[in-house]
Amino acid sequence: NAGVTQTPKFQVLKTGQSMTLQCAQDMNHNSMYWYRQDPGMGLRLIYYSASEGTTDKGEVPNGYNVSRLNKREFSLRLESAAPSQTSVYFCASRTSGAYNEQFFGPGTRLTVL
Amino acid sequence: EDQVTQSPEALRLQEGESSSLNCSYTVSGLRGLFWYRQDPGKGPEFLFTLYSAGEEKEKERLKATLTKKESFLHITAPKPEDSATYLCAVQAQDSGYALNFGKGTSLLVTP
Repeated sequence: NAGVTQTPKFQVLKTGQSMTLQCAQDMNHNSMYWYRQDPGMGLRLIYYSASEGTTDKGEVPNGYNVSRLNKREFSLRLESAAPSQTSVYFCASRTSGAYNEQFFGPGTRLTVL
Repeated sequence: EDQVTQSPEALRLQEGESSSLNCSYTVSGLRGLFWYRQDPGKGPEFLFTLYSAGEEKEKERLKATLTKKESFLHITAPKPEDSATYLCAVQAQDSGYALNFGKGTSLLVTP
């Protein structure tokens, strides 16, 4: 039981390049989330998927797209990377029912030059 | 607009010196308040969820409490391994279960 996994762990891009961050969970959770974490800003929600086949914007969606490929996988795509997207990206999945907690992956550290 | 403010930003304690971290919040209909621990270079690790004012939860040296305006994370007789950043987050009724995080409190416990 690996929980939430993310690939890659580190990535360096040049301005204008594109890439996809991958996230997978093996806990059979319906909901999945993408956050970014910047120094002094805390974690901010980019996009989320309440269930397979649905996606919704969060607080900071501009410059990103997402795909909920199936129940396990939720990817985040940067079509044309900008230096402002330099950040640490975390994926999370959420239990349903009374406890409701979100479990986070180890993160992807992205630098855009 | 929902807001979460954590204080202090940083806290240095000696081993065994108990203290509290504060999380004050404003939210339009609270579904839950969450505490996470984050070690450097790692993802947040779930600690507690609190749902209603007056609720308390404990885990080892940590105890979380909730009022209508704030939550406290009490650390009793901390050890160096408790050093981490502690994150508070609120979940609003109309948020799609997303979390709104504070900026965190960085705790350092020295031997």
